[in-house]
Amino acid sequence: ETGVTQTPRHLVMGMTNKKSLKCEQHLGHNAMYWYKQSAKKPLELMFVYSLEERVENNSVPSRFSPECPNSSHLFLHLHTLQPEDSALYLCASSQEGDMNTEAFFGQGTRLTVV
Amino acid sequence: GQNIDQPTEMTATEGAIVQINCTYQTSGFNGLFWYQQHAGEAPTFLSYNVLDGLEEKGRFSSFLSRSKGYSYLLLKELQMKDSASYLCAVFSGGYNKLIFGAGTRLAVHP
Repeated sequence: ETGVTQTPRHLVMGMTNKKSLKCEQHLGHNAMYWYKQSAKKPLELMFVYSLEERVENNSVPSRFSPECPNSSHLFLHLHTLQPEDSALYLCASSQEGDMNTEAFFGQGTRLTVV
Repeated sequence: GQNIDQPTEMTATEGAIVQINCTYQTSGFNGLFWYQQHAGEAPTFLSYNVLDGLEEKGRFSSFLSRSKGYSYLLLKELQMKDSASYLCAVFSGGYNKLIFGAGTRLAVHP
């Protein structure tokens, strides 16, 4: 079992649909992240949650809405997306406050907006 | 602003040594990471530097100079399976924001 699990692995949605991406971490970490990875671009940090509180929102459009109900789960709610939102969405977790911790990534959700 | 620069692509020969450079300018610094990412897969952790100097881990080594905002990843005895993207990332800011460079795509040839 991987430490960070994302579902679904692949998602195709229309521009008027509403869908949610789910992330679950089994590592006991207290910080979780959403990243967007588009072709030939850096991994873009979207949101950071630390101790279930959103501490970073990197100018992400409101059509992306994160939710962190507890330290193990993170959701990304999607609505009225645009074709340019098609990308790989990666969830990660790490231990806040420990200088020597790395972030562990899930396998990602490949999102296609049609 | 935040800026992390890496070469876009590199090629090398099996059995050789390759050095991938990374320069960064960030608003804070709490450590630098190197990740490996194969196509279609999640990034996986390779190394971490928070103090200046060289960290060695088997065939992979990573170097950091905080005063120069510079790091490199050294891969020795290259194997075909080392063909992947290598991502440089900096922990920046009050909360551990992990900011990534665009990655260096390494192709290893026989």
